[in-house]
Amino acid sequence: GQQLNQSPQSMFIQEGEDVSMNCTSSSIFNTWLWYKQDPGEGPVLLIALYKAGELTSNGRLTAQFGITRKDSFLNISASIPSDVGIYFCAGAIQGAQKLVFGQGTRLTINP
Amino acid sequence: GEEVAQTPKHLVRGEGQKAKLYCAPIKGHSYVFWYQQVLKNEFKFLISFQNENVFDETGMPKERFSAKCLPNSPCSLEIQATKLEDSAVYFCASSQRDPQRVGYTFGSGTRLTVV
Repeated sequence: GQQLNQSPQSMFIQEGEDVSMNCTSSSIFNTWLWYKQDPGEGPVLLIALYKAGELTSNGRLTAQFGITRKDSFLNISASIPSDVGIYFCAGAIQGAQKLVFGQGTRLTINP
Repeated sequence: GEEVAQTPKHLVRGEGQKAKLYCAPIKGHSYVFWYQQVLKNEFKFLISFQNENVFDETGMPKERFSAKCLPNSPCSLEIQATKLEDSAVYFCASSQRDPQRVGYTFGSGTRLTVV
């Protein structure tokens, strides 16, 4: 089945630093989504991408849908303490309603 | 309401007991999904509904798991004869229309612990 490889698995950064994480797949996806999950909560949608090459921003977050449709990245600029959490990429293939999730990137910010 | 409401938040069951989880999707959302999140944060798709009809059940361990979404009732996920490996957080999500175009809204999950 489809699999998403998300990296890095974890990141330890200083407040104010920029962050970059990515997902790759051997399959082509029609949609790429980025979610953030806080402890004890469900994932919250951050950015949705629908076209190859699309670059979309949401405040300090920027995500891109790779040209090959097999990858996506998420950047966070000038990190702040509330950015701490687990970030997941998710993709959907043509005709499938379900999402395939990456393994998550755990972001920790050192004070 | 504007949130996906899952109950209970926590559920503890002895091995072999039945577990039933509930999900009220956002009003007006016609797609409902169930996912299982296990220890390593991996999300495993279980089943999806379009209104009360099963859309995709390819992720369901059918011998013990069942799910329903009936009109005017919360959706439910039931596990007969729970096993230790069923311990996980179960998330419900809903979507107003084509989930590929708008993504899902997730509930806060039900943490099932089988002892």
